[in-house]
Amino acid sequence: DAMVIQNPRYQVTQFGKPVTLSCSQTLNHNVMYWYQQKSSQAPKLLFHYYDKDFNNEADTPDNFQSRRPNTSFCFLDIRSPGLGDAAMYLCATSIAVTGINIQYFGAGTRLSVL
Amino acid sequence: AQKITQTQPGMFVQEKEAVTLDCTYDTSDQSYGLFWYKQPSSGEMIFLIYQGSYDEQNATEGRYSLNFQKARKSANLVISASQLGDSAMYFCAMREGIFSGGYQKVTFGTGTKLQVIP
Repeated sequence: DAMVIQNPRYQVTQFGKPVTLSCSQTLNHNVMYWYQQKSSQAPKLLFHYYDKDFNNEADTPDNFQSRRPNTSFCFLDIRSPGLGDAAMYLCATSIAVTGINIQYFGAGTRLSVL
Repeated sequence: AQKITQTQPGMFVQEKEAVTLDCTYDTSDQSYGLFWYKQPSSGEMIFLIYQGSYDEQNATEGRYSLNFQKARKSANLVISASQLGDSAMYFCAMREGIFSGGYQKVTFGTGTKLQVIP
């Protein structure tokens, strides 16, 4: 089945130690997104890629970076995680056409910062 | 002002009963879309149903239907014949704005936690 896969499902890192979360998709969608979701809150968009074009949300901290080496893969790099970065990180994909823009999500990576 | 408002933080429903989850939205766009997603405790956001602002009929997908009242700016989700597996967080979301960069901004509500009681 075509899908969005996030690895790992759970990630523990230390305060200040760089961490990378990965997302892959078999949907061949040209838009990929990263969201941060803290407990009992709505998902918050960090950035998205339209093909190779990177689009950062204005309030996304510089501590968060992303790479998309090809259509299928996208990475979220947190350069110096703080305790406030502990959250669920969700990857999503969509087709870039006007109209519906349904986003399909992965199962998420739950990040803990010690 | 909140773009998407879900006023019910938590809801209980008896198994096999129907339940309505409320969602109101705020936009000045003529063209927009409304979504509902389900998020079980495992974390994955699962797309349930979509309603476009120009769609005249209410969207339905199996046991899910979207009660779209444009004048009231509401897009309530109705789940018929609730099942234990329906227990989850439910998020209402809206697509609006200019399509640019392959993207139209999607705003999520704060969610409603639904618990189905046997």
